[in-house]
Amino acid sequence: DAKTTQPTSMDCAEGRAANLPCNHSTISGNEYVYWYRQIHSQGPQYIIHGLKNNETNEMASLIITEDRKSSTLILPHATLRDTAVYYCIVRVSYNTDKLIFGTGTRLQVFP
Amino acid sequence: NAGVMQNPRHLVRRRGQEARLRCSPMKGHSHVYWYRQLPEEGLKFMVYLQKENIIDESGMPKERFSAEFPKEGPSILRIQQVVRGDSAAYFCASSPESGGAGGYTFGSGTRLTVV
Repeated sequence: DAKTTQPTSMDCAEGRAANLPCNHSTISGNEYVYWYRQIHSQGPQYIIHGLKNNETNEMASLIITEDRKSSTLILPHATLRDTAVYYCIVRVSYNTDKLIFGTGTRLQVFP
Repeated sequence: NAGVMQNPRHLVRRRGQEARLRCSPMKGHSHVYWYRQLPEEGLKFMVYLQKENIIDESGMPKERFSAEFPKEGPSILRIQQVVRGDSAAYFCASSPESGGAGGYTFGSGTRLTVV
């Protein structure tokens, strides 16, 4: 699986959009970008994934650059409950291999 | 439609005792993954199992740790002769036969404290 690089921490005001970047310059053509988050002491939670097109679901939007070397997770209206560590993981989809978690980005949403 | 169930939520063991952590995957999921998270650290993969088979145990300590996923019943992570350094949160995830295209589902974890 390709290596990813994320900022260690970010802050965001409540109600504003939180934009979390991820670099994955060595991504392969068949690898997807996955995002998970871990709210303090809880199990990781799947957020969204994509291959090359932008994706949106009820939780977030995922913007992948045309060259696929980076992506941005967008939480459109961050709330205090979105405070968590966010992990960007690149891997082949439809694959049952293990997920490898990096250090992620610690997002702090403040009032 | 229950998610991944882990029990117990909290487990306290004295040094030298055995710890047994259980994980029931989501209905229809046949793949189970165990992760360990030490205090203030990230999630580290331990072992990946399918029914009655260990697929990848590359993250499992060579001694004292074992895992199984029998034909019937939950997956069990067993730690023998626990030491203080085993104190951590242990998370289990499951995925369907077709793979985790829609994302793996994690349980709420078992917090093991060794005293």
